[in-house]
Amino acid sequence: SQQGEEDPQALSIQEGENATMNCSYKTSINNLQWYRQNSGRGLVHLILIRSNEREKHSGRLRVTLDTSKKSSSLLITASRAADTASYFCATDAAGGTSYGKLTFGQGTILTVHP
Amino acid sequence: DSGVTQTPKHLITATGQRVTLRCSPRSGDLSVYWYQQSLDQGLQFLIQYYNGEERAKGNILERFSAQQFPDLHSELNLSSLELGDSALYFCASSVSWGGGYTFGSGTRLTVV
Repeated sequence: SQQGEEDPQALSIQEGENATMNCSYKTSINNLQWYRQNSGRGLVHLILIRSNEREKHSGRLRVTLDTSKKSSSLLITASRAADTASYFCATDAAGGTSYGKLTFGQGTILTVHP
Repeated sequence: DSGVTQTPKHLITATGQRVTLRCSPRSGDLSVYWYQQSLDQGLQFLIQYYNGEERAKGNILERFSAQQFPDLHSELNLSSLELGDSALYFCASSVSWGGGYTFGSGTRLTVV
């Protein structure tokens, strides 16, 4: 079963615009991570935010986490055509038996038009 | 190249057959995770090994099994294959847990 639900399912924007993707989850977490996947290829780790953090930045990426609402958002600023990909949030559930296994959302398909 | 190597990249086989997928983790990583990605189920966690021992199990069918060897490479064995087993199978590795993974490029399995 999927822990996270992502919104929107698909997003189409022009180069230079910002892209915002949202993720909601159900259980308490140790951390939440975002990954990018280019068409049928392997996933690439983008950023990790821990449950005691509220915001994190990495280059053009900004992630926020609201544990009270069990939600996170990923903002990509000044998007480029090369950002076209699927973006997944993944949660590492709190509790002693998770051993870091991640539960992925269904993903957001981002298309950036040149 | 992520440092996680999966072989083969593509596999086409018939129903009822058995296949073995191989994963070599990134150098220094002790944890290996297997995931299945399909259009209808999305990314599903199958199983995790840490330094040769099974640590967590997810939605892995009884027809599927895995192991991690002393050199830390891992194999996922899929038997009595069905059409519905067609999917991308990913291996990921990490030093331990609690951080991000490094994914391999996957094995695309097609069962005909």
